[in-house]
Parts: sequence; C-alpha cells; structure tokens
Amino acid sequence: DQQVKQNSPSLSVQEGRISILNCDYTNSMFDYFLWYKKYPAEGPTFLISISSIKDKNEDGRFTVFLNKSAKHLSLHIVPSQPGDSAVYFCAASADTGNQFYFGTGTSLTVIP
Amino acid sequence: KAGVTQTPRYLIKTRGQQVTLSCSPISGHRSVSWYQQTPGQGLQFLFEYFSETQRNKGNFPGRFSGRQFSNSRSEMNVSTLELGDSALYLCASSRASGNYNEQFFGPGTRLTVL
Repeated sequence: DQQVKQNSPSLSVQEGRISILNCDYTNSMFDYFLWYKKYPAEGPTFLISISSIKDKNEDGRFTVFLNKSAKHLSLHIVPSQPGDSAVYFCAASADTGNQFYFGTGTSLTVIP
Repeated sequence: KAGVTQTPRYLIKTRGQQVTLSCSPISGHRSVSWYQQTPGQGLQFLFEYFSETQRNKGNFPGRFSGRQFSNSRSEMNVSTLELGDSALYLCASSRASGNYNEQFFGPGTRLTVL
C-alpha cells in the first residue's frame, strides 16, 4: 500500500520557468516531509524538508509547500535550470523512528 | 569527508542463490537504513540499524536480513533469490536514529537475478 504518491511520472519545463512537483500522502501521522533529487547512477541527495508545524519552507530556488488538510505537498523550483533535470522523490515519516516512506518519483526535464 | 559507499556496485545472480551487499556509512554516522528501488515502486524501506540493533523493519519477507557491525558498517543478505528481487538496493546513513535526521544515500548496488 503506497502511503506516499507522486502521480506524475514525468514533467517537462522550459528553462527559466517554474517547475511544480506534487506529492500526496495518506497517513495523517506523518509529520516530517522531505524531497530528494536523484541523478542516474547516483543515490538520492537531500534537497529540502518541512515539518508539519510549518506550511512553507524555502531554500534558494526551492520552496516546499505543505497542505496538511489535503495531505498534499509540492516542490516549486524557480527558475528552473537544465541542471535540475533529475528524478525527484518525496518522502514522509512519522515520529516513530527512522522509517521513511518514499513516493515513486517524478522525472523532471528542464529544456534549455 | 567520504560519502556512503556500497559494494559491489553491480551484481548478477541466478534464482535460488543468495547475495550479500555491503554498506559503509559516513564516518560518525551510526544509523544505516536499506531501501529497495524498483521501477514503479519507488524506494521501499527494508530495515534500519542503529548501534548494531535493528530499529525498524519494512514489509519484506524473511529472506531479506541485515546486520550492523561495531564500526557501523552494515550488510544486507537476500537468500533464495527470486526474479522479482532484481532492483537497485540503496543504503542511507544518518548521524542518529529518528525521523529528523537527514539521510545520506550511497550510489546503490544494482542486483540482477536471472
């Protein structure tokens, strides 16, 4: 049972525009959310996180929004750059240990 | 500071065999988690070890097991391999256990079962 879902397997965006990646979750106990970026032949690298006490967290070009009532989070990348082309995974955890639940990933292509 | 290393990077086995994968965490990190990545399933949590003790376990059969040594290095073992075990196996280390600790991933071991 997939508790974290990324319903868009792929997304293409023009360079300089905004990329919006979406993620939905089903477990209301999740209180910590993360986004990872993965290039081919490399492990995922941490991008940005947000705890459930916030609804927005920014880090440079990356902003994560959390809508707890809708059990939805999104990652905004502005402006998008070709180097952002990668697979993005969202992940969630509850305060019960180090177990993270990952989505299936969204492959982002930024077109120059 | 060296990152998380995993060996081997690629492995080909046949059905029924067993396999052992190794993960060396970042120096000073005591928690190691293992994940299986398959197309369409994303990363599925296998288990987490902290200070040589299994702290959490995902929903995988008993054929999947692991252990952690006193130097925090971890091994994962899969016995009686099945075709469906073909996947990228990732390990991640963090300084401590608990969901607010950032995980650093290794490059993975690509296992192919024929």
